[in-house]
Formats: sequence, C-alpha cells, structure tokens
Amino acid sequence: DAGVIQSPRHEVTEMGQEVTLRCKPISGHNSLFWYRQTMMRGLELLIYFNNNVPIDDSGMPEDRFSAKMPNASFSTLKIQPSEPRDSAVYFCASSSNPVRSQYFGPGTRLLVL
Amino acid sequence: AQKVTQAQTEISVVEKEDVTLDCVYETRDTTYYLFWYKQPPSGELVFLIRRNSFDEQNEISGRYSWNFQKSTSSFNFTITASQVVDSAVYFCALSEETSGSRLTFGEGTQLTVNP
Repeated sequence: DAGVIQSPRHEVTEMGQEVTLRCKPISGHNSLFWYRQTMMRGLELLIYFNNNVPIDDSGMPEDRFSAKMPNASFSTLKIQPSEPRDSAVYFCASSSNPVRSQYFGPGTRLLVL
Repeated sequence: AQKVTQAQTEISVVEKEDVTLDCVYETRDTTYYLFWYKQPPSGELVFLIRRNSFDEQNEISGRYSWNFQKSTSSFNFTITASQVVDSAVYFCALSEETSGSRLTFGEGTQLTVNP
C-alpha cells in the first residue's frame, strides 16, 4: 500500500515567490495534517483537516500561509510570498480518524533564498 | 496545556548495548494518547507506537519495549541489543482528546549507535 505522498521532495526558491506543497494522504484516511520542522521550533502542527474540512488552523504562522483540501485524496499548502524564515521541512500526515495514529509522508525540504 | 519533555538531547552507545530513551509528559486531560516516532538520517518520520491513557500495560515489539507509568507521567522507550540501524532521532508525542488531534512533540533524542 502506498503511504502518504508529498511533492516536491525538495524546493529551492527566491524570497517573494509563491510556493505550493502537495500531499496525497493514505487511501481511506479522512484526517490530514500539515507540520513544519525547524531546528529552532522542532515539529509543530500548522493545520489539520477532518473529512476535507479545516478543523484547527491555529498553528498557521500568518496570512502568507494557506491550506486547502479540495477532496479526500489531495491537499495543498501554499506560501505567498515566501520568506527565508519559511525554510524548513514540511510534513504531511494522515490518519483514519483524528485520534488515531498519524502516518507521515517523506517531507518537503524547502529553502527560501 | 500539554507538554512533552525529552531531557536527553543526545545518547551515544556501542552496538549491542541496551538504551532507554526517556519521555515525560504533562496534561490535564484524563484521556490522552502517547506516541513514539523515529526519524532516521533520511528524514522521514516513522510511526513506532501509540498508547492511550487507559492502557498502562507495557509493550514489547522485537527489540523495542515501552514502559508507560501514569504515576510518574512517563512513557519510556527501551531498545535492547542496539544496532547501528537504530541510529536516529526519536520523538515522543502527546495528543489530548480535548485538544483534538494536535500532536505535541518533544524535542527529540538523537541516538547514535556505534559499531
């Protein structure tokens, strides 16, 4: 069975550019989570969806960040405009329900120059 | 507020040694879930185990074992007969039922197993 799929795996962009990260959850999972990992802040939840509906976006750092889940098999995290401090590894995770174990994708390593 | 503390930033052992990774948590909820994840040098996060607050039974899976003690708010992880492939960062995490699905992670423990 395929796990959580994320693309791209690596992204290098210049400050001010728009960045879109993509995630395909495990089939049948109806909860999806976006996390960010940095040396300074560790792993932190940005937003999570249940049945395609955003439930908790309190971790989204600011208005430059937005996330969507148009259907059960696809989600995007967009940063516009990007800034150097957004450089991090962004993980997507999914679970079969909100309190079940979360399975993580391989992550997207983002570098904003 | 929920909090997870992994006091050991780095641990270095020699292959075949046993090693215990400590995890202490704080929560006001009576229903909560504890997790361990492994992050090898390749960077992915690998799920290892999930326990709920009502199940204090210790668990063993091969060389891995977990000791959950509510009295001390600890959920420690032991690797028996460590191997080089166990080298990774290990994260303990907590989720409170009242906080929805927010996973709060500890800072992680970097385990290095030397040959």
